[in-house]
Amino acid sequence: EPEVTQTPSHQVTQMGQEVILRCVPISNHLYFYWYRQILGQKVEFLVSFYNNEISEKSEIFDDQFSVERPDGSNFTLKIRSTKLEDSAMYFCASSEGPRNTEAFFGQGTRLTVV
Amino acid sequence: QKEVEQNSGPLSVPEGAIASLNCTYSDRGSQSFFWYRQYSGKSPELIMFIYSNGDKEDGRFTAQLNKASQYVSLLIRDSQPSDSATYLCAVEGQAGTALIFGKGTTLSVSS
Repeated sequence: EPEVTQTPSHQVTQMGQEVILRCVPISNHLYFYWYRQILGQKVEFLVSFYNNEISEKSEIFDDQFSVERPDGSNFTLKIRSTKLEDSAMYFCASSEGPRNTEAFFGQGTRLTVV
Repeated sequence: QKEVEQNSGPLSVPEGAIASLNCTYSDRGSQSFFWYRQYSGKSPELIMFIYSNGDKEDGRFTAQLNKASQYVSLLIRDSQPSDSATYLCAVEGQAGTALIFGKGTTLSVSS
């Protein structure tokens, strides 16, 4: 069964450092998403991406965040200068079409900022 | 501010019983509604989606939608211990890309 793959599974970084979280969406999917979940809290939408541009972003997705599809397979989330409050589980998701009907989530990257 | 509200629980039911999970949403323009299951430390897994008012059944799961009341629910029949998880209600906005999640309801099924 096809799946969304995220690397690394766990990343520890110093406050102020840049991190890049990587995702390989399902191969025939065209819509890509990043969500985050702070421990004990709800899943929060960050950004959606289609046709090499951002379709929608939330208030959380400020100038510290960026997304990129550097090649035909990877989809990355960069946090430029991490803060303690960026510590969370980050989930990548992808879907074939614009609706989330069949959006599949990756297993997540746990980011810990120290 | 779009909100999705769920009772955090825990909801405890015995094995074989019906579990009823509820969700309300604030954005009257919402079009699509989703139920995800999330085991501790894992990613959300889609169980069902519903667009139209009424019921939608899939195996042991039934989603119910009432747009007038801005209410969506999930019934789990013949609950099993493996159903013990947090159930997330998510609502898709008019733009059609972002999912707005509730905090989830923790379900515990005892054998």
